[in-house]
Amino acid sequence: QKEVEQNSGPLSVPEGAIASLNCTYSDRGSQSFFWYRQYSGKSPELIMFIYSNGDKEDGRFTAQLNKASQYVSLLIRDSQPSDSATYLCAVNVGGGADGLTFGKGTHLIIQP
Amino acid sequence: DAMVIQNPRYQVTQFGKPVTLSCSQTLNHNVMYWYQQKSSQAPKLLFHYYDKDFNNEADTPDNFQSRRPNTSFCFLDIRSPGLGDAAMYLCATSREGTSGYNEQFFGPGTRLTVL
Repeated sequence: QKEVEQNSGPLSVPEGAIASLNCTYSDRGSQSFFWYRQYSGKSPELIMFIYSNGDKEDGRFTAQLNKASQYVSLLIRDSQPSDSATYLCAVNVGGGADGLTFGKGTHLIIQP
Repeated sequence: DAMVIQNPRYQVTQFGKPVTLSCSQTLNHNVMYWYQQKSSQAPKLLFHYYDKDFNNEADTPDNFQSRRPNTSFCFLDIRSPGLGDAAMYLCATSREGTSGYNEQFFGPGTRLTVL
């Protein structure tokens, strides 16, 4: 059974602070990992992807992967009210063209 | 701009009345996916096409079918919608073979209401 777990929140963070979102996955053979942002009533938007252990930075976003612990995280620096959304963690278990297994998402609220 | 387009954005159907949802893409991606997302739940993969090869998920009900007449278009057919099929239906595409890691890009979704 492929599972991706996230704390549903809401996670409330003051504007300008760092938001830290976490995700664990059950299948040790998982190949690649994705973070999507989803605003209410909208479709998921790809923010970051990571394949190798360690950190990957893109602007205000940093994805972290620890395959030994089966743990993925997303850090958002200098949080803005526009970052308020649900963040979905997704895992490509089989690699290649397989579909993604999603977590239920963490609802993030940035307080002005 | 290259994109994934879904039509209609909102669809209302009656219980048991067949409905077809459409997805098109200008990204020239070879893989197309259909996901179902119910309120406050994770998107759930229904099936995908790798080029012309259809790949069904084991737990996708037979009520759901798909067609891909060409690279650009993919359709989701719900033969007899039930109240439990009310959801957002998301089409996604990826270009398998480039990075090998399958970044997927989503269309805006179709919100299906079943009366």
